[in-house]
Amino acid sequence: EAGVAQSPRYKIIEKRQSVAFWCNPISGHATLYWYQQILGQGPKLLIQFQNNGVVDDSQLPKDRFSAERLKGVDSTLKIQPAKLEDSAVYLCASSLMGQVDEAFFGQGTRLTVV
Amino acid sequence: GENVEQHPSTLSVQEGDSAVIKCTYSDSASNYFPWYKQELGKRPQLIIDIRSNVGEKKDQRIAVTLNKTAKHFSLHITETQPEDSAVYFCAPGGSNYQLIWGAGTKLIIKP
Repeated sequence: EAGVAQSPRYKIIEKRQSVAFWCNPISGHATLYWYQQILGQGPKLLIQFQNNGVVDDSQLPKDRFSAERLKGVDSTLKIQPAKLEDSAVYLCASSLMGQVDEAFFGQGTRLTVV
Repeated sequence: GENVEQHPSTLSVQEGDSAVIKCTYSDSASNYFPWYKQELGKRPQLIIDIRSNVGEKKDQRIAVTLNKTAKHFSLHITETQPEDSAVYFCAPGGSNYQLIWGAGTKLIIKP
């Protein structure tokens, strides 16, 4: 089966600019996660969707980050305006609905803010 | 909220020896206990998982043991090989289909 698709793979932007990341989960996976992973640290959950509803966005910096999952399939994560400390790998993952289960990760987007 | 701790943060073992990483959690509602491996520059990938109705699971050189009473589970790797060098994360899950990630353990296999 096809895996989780993310784009772009790499992005370099200047601080105060905006950026958007895209994720297409595995077909049939109702749960979608966006994680931020700073170098040397574990993944930090930014937002979790169940279909097109938000389950948890408690760690999403809502003054600059936003995410949506229209129609319960693809999702986009946006940062506006970016700060230097946003430099990280942004990982999208998906899993089946029904019970907590294995999360399948995309390749991630490496963001560098200069 | 859920608190997850991994120990040790770094583990260095001789090739061929065994490695054990422990994960403690606080949420008694947790019912899913996975271990992920992340190699440098790559995505996390599941290597083994266990559910709360089972105490131990083995897959070739890796095994996971669960102690629900004490709220901890451990990753065991036997006959370690150079390709086992990576960062390992535990991510117990339960309510709201959430996985709560540990800080990771860097495993170094010395030749």
